[in-house]
Amino acid sequence: GESVGLHLPTLSVQEGDNSIINCAYSNSASDYFIWYKQESGKGPQFIIDIRSNMDKRQGQRVTVLLNKTVKHLSLQIAATQPGDSAVYFCAENSPYGQNFVFGPGTRLSVLP
Amino acid sequence: ETGVTQTPRHLVMGMTNKKSLKCEQHLGHNAMYWYKQSAKKPLELMFVYSLEERVENNSVPSRFSPECPNSSHLFLHLHTLQPEDSALYLCASSQDTPQDREATDTQYFGPGTRLTVL
Repeated sequence: GESVGLHLPTLSVQEGDNSIINCAYSNSASDYFIWYKQESGKGPQFIIDIRSNMDKRQGQRVTVLLNKTVKHLSLQIAATQPGDSAVYFCAENSPYGQNFVFGPGTRLSVLP
Repeated sequence: ETGVTQTPRHLVMGMTNKKSLKCEQHLGHNAMYWYKQSAKKPLELMFVYSLEERVENNSVPSRFSPECPNSSHLFLHLHTLQPEDSALYLCASSQDTPQDREATDTQYFGPGTRLTVL
């Protein structure tokens, strides 16, 4: 069945270091992926997306990498800041339904 | 601000109460969604509305009843809930209807309603 999962439920990084958050997806037919950030008390916020015809996409301080061979998605955050502390979700656009399948999330903690 | 608002932000209710959650999107989107987020599970899709018609219902108990009077408003009516229904209920909207798979399907979420059932 469909599933999106995260390898690491928690991640702690030093301020200024780069962060890498990973996600595995199970459906090779998925063609669109999104990373969301959810801060305490707020709903998920769109960070960056990528289509399956791309391997890499860059935003401001963030990069998403897609490896379709191993069905793996990662989010890289450069020069991590305290404001980056949040839970990060990946989501894939399910080809079997009409909507997204979300992973369980990874909590990122930025240490001073 | 994402352009999606939800009220109330917090709700405490007894199992015999009837209450409603409200969502409003100011983005001109065509599709709206209800999700449930509990502590130990990923986001669970509950309902999808496209152009005011329900297009997906993921086996949600009948004690949850959605209503979409127009493309900007979405309600979730609650009655005779159970303590295990306590969770964060999130509303989202997207520009395109879910059937349009060629388009960008990014969903924009509201802040959620934190529901506690006693």
